Amino acid sequence: EPEVTQTPSHQVTQMGQEVILRCVPISNHLYFYWYRQILGQKVEFLVSFYNNEISEKSEIFDDQFSVERPDGSNFTLKIRSTKLEDSAMYFCASRTVRTEAFFGQGTRLTVV
Amino acid sequence: QKEVEQNSGPLSVPEGAIASLNCTYSDRGSQSFFWYRQYSGKSPELIMFIYSNGDKEDGRFTAQLNKASQYVSLLIRDSQPSDSATYLCAVNRNFGNEKLTFGTGTRLTIIP
Repeated sequence: EPEVTQTPSHQVTQMGQEVILRCVPISNHLYFYWYRQILGQKVEFLVSFYNNEISEKSEIFDDQFSVERPDGSNFTLKIRSTKLEDSAMYFCASRTVRTEAFFGQGTRLTVV
Repeated sequence: QKEVEQNSGPLSVPEGAIASLNCTYSDRGSQSFFWYRQYSGKSPELIMFIYSNGDKEDGRFTAQLNKASQYVSLLIRDSQPSDSATYLCAVNRNFGNEKLTFGTGTRLTIIP
């Protein structure tokens, strides 16, 4: 069964460092998303991406965040200068027009 | 602020009984409604979606939607210990590119 793949599963970084979280969406999917979930809190939308551009972004997705689809398969989330409050599970999701969103297994980001 | 509200629980249900999970939403423009199951430290896994008023059944699960009351519920019949998880209610405005807005989730424990 096709699945959304995220790497790494866990990343520890020092405050102020840049991190790149990687996702390989399901191959025929067209819409891509990043969500995050701070421990014990709800899943929050960060950004949606379609046709090689951002469709919508939340207030959380400030200038420190960026997304890219550098080739036909990867979808990345970059945080330029990490803060302690960026520590969370980051989920990538993808979908087609007619299907629900499928979530990857997540990357746990720990900023120290 | 578009909100999705759920009772955080924990909700304890004996094995074999019916578990009833509830969700209300504030955005009257919401059109699609989703129930995800999330095990601790894992990603959300879709159980069901519904977009028409009434009931939708899938095996032991039944989703119920009442748009006039802005209310959606999930019933789990013949509850099993493996159903113990956090159940997330999510909504969006259409089945296209729209982001999902999640509730905080209800933690369900099935007691053997």
